[in-house]
Amino acid sequence: SQELEQSPQSLIVQEGKNLTINCTSSKTLYGLYWYKQKYGEGLIFLMMLQKGGEEKSHEKITAKLDEKKQQSSLHITASQPSHAGIYLCGASPARGNKLTFGGGTRVLVKP
Amino acid sequence: DTGVSQDPRHKITKRGQNVTFRCDPISEHNRLYWYRQTLGQGPEFLTYFQNEAQLEKSRLLSDRFSAERPKGSFSTLEIQRTEQGDSAMYLCASRPQSRLSGTGELFFGEGSRLTVL
Repeated sequence: SQELEQSPQSLIVQEGKNLTINCTSSKTLYGLYWYKQKYGEGLIFLMMLQKGGEEKSHEKITAKLDEKKQQSSLHITASQPSHAGIYLCGASPARGNKLTFGGGTRVLVKP
Repeated sequence: DTGVSQDPRHKITKRGQNVTFRCDPISEHNRLYWYRQTLGQGPEFLTYFQNEAQLEKSRLLSDRFSAERPKGSFSTLEIQRTEQGDSAMYLCASRPQSRLSGTGELFFGEGSRLTVL
């Protein structure tokens, strides 16, 4: 089965600083999905990467997928308190299949 | 906004009791997924349906767990003889089957939090 490792497990950053979260797969990915979860709530979709070397941005969040499609990073520029939460990467071995999730990265932004 | 709806949001029960959670997916989505999430962990896949057919079940879904989607619309997840280890957030998600629909992401509900005393 596909396993996803996220690092770090948690991080605390000062407001205005940048942060990066990594997601590594044991197998080649069909699709890599990034979600954000506020504590005790459901998951909110951020973006999906599929092609090797692909990069997508939304507001201050940028996600990249490496050429081998086994590692992805999520980068937040000039973090704000609203960026606090749990970031989860999910992957599927093929389109339409279930997603397998990593353990999550807990982000706290200090004002 | 008719997103994925889950009920109840919170359930506290005593060990040994049965509990049932309901999920109403986005109306045009024919795929429905159940996940379990414990504190500090990512969601773990339990099962999924395509219309009324249950296509895959995880080993995590023991004999005490049963999920149904009788008419291909809403789904229920029942846990019989609850144990303290069942305490978790139960998340429901849905998506359309069509290959032409979006990026294939799952749309999640707010979850049903279960506490077994």
